[in-house]
Amino acid sequence: AQKVTQAQTEISVVEKEDVTLDCVYETRDTTYYLFWYKQPPSGELVFLIRRNSFDEQNEISGRYSWNFQKSTSSFNFTITASQVVDSAVYFCALSRMNSGYSTLTFGKGTMLLVSP
Amino acid sequence: DAGVTQSPTHLIKTRGQQVTLRCSPKSGHDTVSWYQQALGQGPQFIFQYYEEEERQRGNFPDRFSGHQFPNYSSELNVNALLLGDSALYLCASSLGAGGNQPQHFGDGTRLSIL
Repeated sequence: AQKVTQAQTEISVVEKEDVTLDCVYETRDTTYYLFWYKQPPSGELVFLIRRNSFDEQNEISGRYSWNFQKSTSSFNFTITASQVVDSAVYFCALSRMNSGYSTLTFGKGTMLLVSP
Repeated sequence: DAGVTQSPTHLIKTRGQQVTLRCSPKSGHDTVSWYQQALGQGPQFIFQYYEEEERQRGNFPDRFSGHQFPNYSSELNVNALLLGDSALYLCASSLGAGGNQPQHFGDGTRLSIL
């Protein structure tokens, strides 16, 4: 069975602070995909990033960066210089690779509140 | 380029009734998945449709059923509604059923059961 744990239920920061959202996953598969999605109050899940289990190279995209460590089964997400518009619920998710069925297993999410 | 569209946006039903939710996938996508998101929780996978067939199903009772049409749009039907069915229902589409394609989500249908 697959499982994703996001231990932080809610994080509050002041604008311009850096913030890291934690994600720990469990899977018996040797190959898999990891995702981060953002859910603003409107409800739509916005795709942020997908990483495959072969590639542990960290990735940076603007103010966003991701740290994938297979040894600790973690895929953490850092926002640098946070902004009010970053306020949302962030979900980490896991899917099987090349199984023919791309179902996502989500964590419970972390609500990020960025105040001015 | 239209994204995933869902209708209706909101819906209020009473226990025991039946409901149908609709989803049009993103242009060029052929696979549709449905998720249920209870308040304060992450989305839970209901089922996935590809080539008009249910390809995989999550841990949901038979009261939850679906359909995919030749134009790739999809419906989610829930019979004998229970209070616990109150949730945000999200539709996601992708190109192909493999895990290498990211799923794109709609805004969801918020279903309230009284």
